[in-house]
Amino acid sequence: AQSVTQPDIHITVSEGASLELRCNYSYGATPYLFWYVQSPGQGLQLLLKYFSGDTLVQGIKGFEAEFKRSQSSFNLRKPSVHWSDAAEYFCAVGGGNDYKLSFGAGTTVTVRA
Amino acid sequence: SAVISQKPSRDICQRGTSLTIQCQVDSQVTMMFWYRQQPGQSLTLIATANQGSEATYESGFVIDKFPISRPNLTFSTLTVSNMSPEDSSIYLCSAGDSNSPLHFGNGTRLTVT
Repeated sequence: AQSVTQPDIHITVSEGASLELRCNYSYGATPYLFWYVQSPGQGLQLLLKYFSGDTLVQGIKGFEAEFKRSQSSFNLRKPSVHWSDAAEYFCAVGGGNDYKLSFGAGTTVTVRA
Repeated sequence: SAVISQKPSRDICQRGTSLTIQCQVDSQVTMMFWYRQQPGQSLTLIATANQGSEATYESGFVIDKFPISRPNLTFSTLTVSNMSPEDSSIYLCSAGDSNSPLHFGNGTRLTVT
């Protein structure tokens, strides 16, 4: 069975500081990995994805993530956060032919001035 | 990437009634899914909407409670039947193709009183 663990429920970061959100997954084969962001009252927006190839993937809004197979991790990073990055972030894993996604519990990011 | 529109965006319903949520994609897609996000929770897959055949439900979800239609490759509906306050959630439609990540609609915020 596939699953995702996001160990950090809530992270507070100062504007301009760096951000790293952790994601660990369990999947029996090569996974497809995703990071989504959900702002209050909004749906989910895809930040980036990993299907294959280069393990460092770039996404929108200045985010990047690195796939580390040996650690079963797909951590999300941003060098300098903006107040608008305050949101809920979800890591998801899927694969195979059915594309069903399993989501982590989410990490709430608060940005302080 | 596919643009997904959901209607209604929110609704307040009385217990015992039913609500049908529509999901429209701006291009033909192979896969469509319905997810539920209970208050303060992550996303849980309800079912895969199969074009021209019965939906495939995940454990804990049944067709009588959540009937789904998918008459073509761009449209699907989810009905929440005989609602109770426990059905108060955000319901999200997602769509995609192989080698194309899943995108989500903005969700339908349902409150059952």
